[in-house]
Amino acid sequence: SQKIEQNSEALNIQEGKTATLTCNYTNYSPAYLQWYRQDPGRGPVFLLLIRENEKEKRKERLKVTFDTTLKQSLFHITASQPADSATYLCALSGSGGYNKLIFGAGTRLAVHP
Amino acid sequence: GAVVSQHPSRVICKSGTSVKIECRSLDFQATTMFWYRQFPKKSLMLMATSNEGSKATYEQGVEKDKFLINHASLTLSTLTVTSAHPEDSSFYICSATSPASGKMDTQYFGPGTRLTVL
Repeated sequence: SQKIEQNSEALNIQEGKTATLTCNYTNYSPAYLQWYRQDPGRGPVFLLLIRENEKEKRKERLKVTFDTTLKQSLFHITASQPADSATYLCALSGSGGYNKLIFGAGTRLAVHP
Repeated sequence: GAVVSQHPSRVICKSGTSVKIECRSLDFQATTMFWYRQFPKKSLMLMATSNEGSKATYEQGVEKDKFLINHASLTLSTLTVTSAHPEDSSFYICSATSPASGKMDTQYFGPGTRLTVL
């Protein structure tokens, strides 16, 4: 069955450093991979989408890479800030139809001043 | 743009009662809406996909008679948890896609509804 793995342990980093989160998947060939941010008690907020034919996507301090050979995506936040502290979810979907998303369990990021 | 609201944000009910949760797309028309549930520190699990004007498609293991979904308009979908029991207590989140925006691949999520069944 399809499986998405994100590091279940919290990632603690110092303010100003680059945070790198990992998303690995098995038994799936997604057309799209997305990253969402979720704060406690809130719904996910869309951050970035990368397609299977794209290697890298950037948006301000965020960067996502997508390696379909390794079946892995890396999510980077540069110059991290305490306000970046949240849980980050990786989600995969196929092409066409109604874009059913399969989510990972998320990785909690804590940025310390 | 692409704002999705949910109501109520929190609800506490007695076992055996039914609870209705509303999901609205405020500034766009959503032909497709999704309902998820999330347990503490767990992933979002898709319950069903709702297309405007047609019956919802439920994921395996989700009881359609337990979780009634109605998508009567392009801006409103409702989830009714019938005869709720304590094990139905969870965080319910809806999302919507916006084909008109050209961002068909992105889902916009509501803020979630915390359901507690006593």
